[in-house]
Amino acid sequence: SQQGEEDPQALSIQEGENATMNCSYKTSINNLQWYRQNSGRGLVHLILIRSNEREKHSGRLRVTLDTSKKSSSLLITASRAADTASYFCATALFGSKIIFGSGTRLSIRP
Amino acid sequence: KAGVTQTPRYLIKTRGQQVTLSCSPISGHRSVSWYQQTPGQGLQFLFEYFSETQRNKGNFPGRFSGRQFSNSRSEMNVSTLELGDSALYLCASSLGRDESTEAFFGQGTRLTVV
Repeated sequence: SQQGEEDPQALSIQEGENATMNCSYKTSINNLQWYRQNSGRGLVHLILIRSNEREKHSGRLRVTLDTSKKSSSLLITASRAADTASYFCATALFGSKIIFGSGTRLSIRP
Repeated sequence: KAGVTQTPRYLIKTRGQQVTLSCSPISGHRSVSWYQQTPGQGLQFLFEYFSETQRNKGNFPGRFSGRQFSNSRSEMNVSTLELGDSALYLCASSLGRDESTEAFFGQGTRLTVV
């Protein structure tokens, strides 16, 4: 079974709008990472947030982590057509095993 | 520097056959992890190798095995292929010193079992 579950499973927004994806996980983690995957290709690492951090920014990306609720969110601001992809959260359990969630399919409408 | 290279990119095999997939990590990376991605099950962790030793293992049958060589290149083998083994197989490399390092993924090998 998946360690992380993303919500929503699919999201369609207008170009220029903000996109928010959520991830919930089950067990204690060392860190949480977000990845992007374009149509059946490899995954691209977006951002890593450690368990002792609450928020992190990278360009148009903002990630929050709430370890008390075992949840994280990824915000993409000012979305572009190139942001169309599947987004996965991944939790690193203690012992370097990374478990991926089920993913959110993001579509950006022109 | 060169990224993670997986070969072959596409593969078609018949049920009952075996297959070997290869992954060359980024130079200097000592950890290689393998994942299976299917529409129904998503991204499933297979195993991780670090310095030629299997460090972590997912919940896959013994038909799935792997190894890592002294140059950190890794191979994954699937024996007695089943139709359900059709999937995108991804490998990821990382420095592997601790859990805080990010993983870099290859483009994957698309395996089709007929």
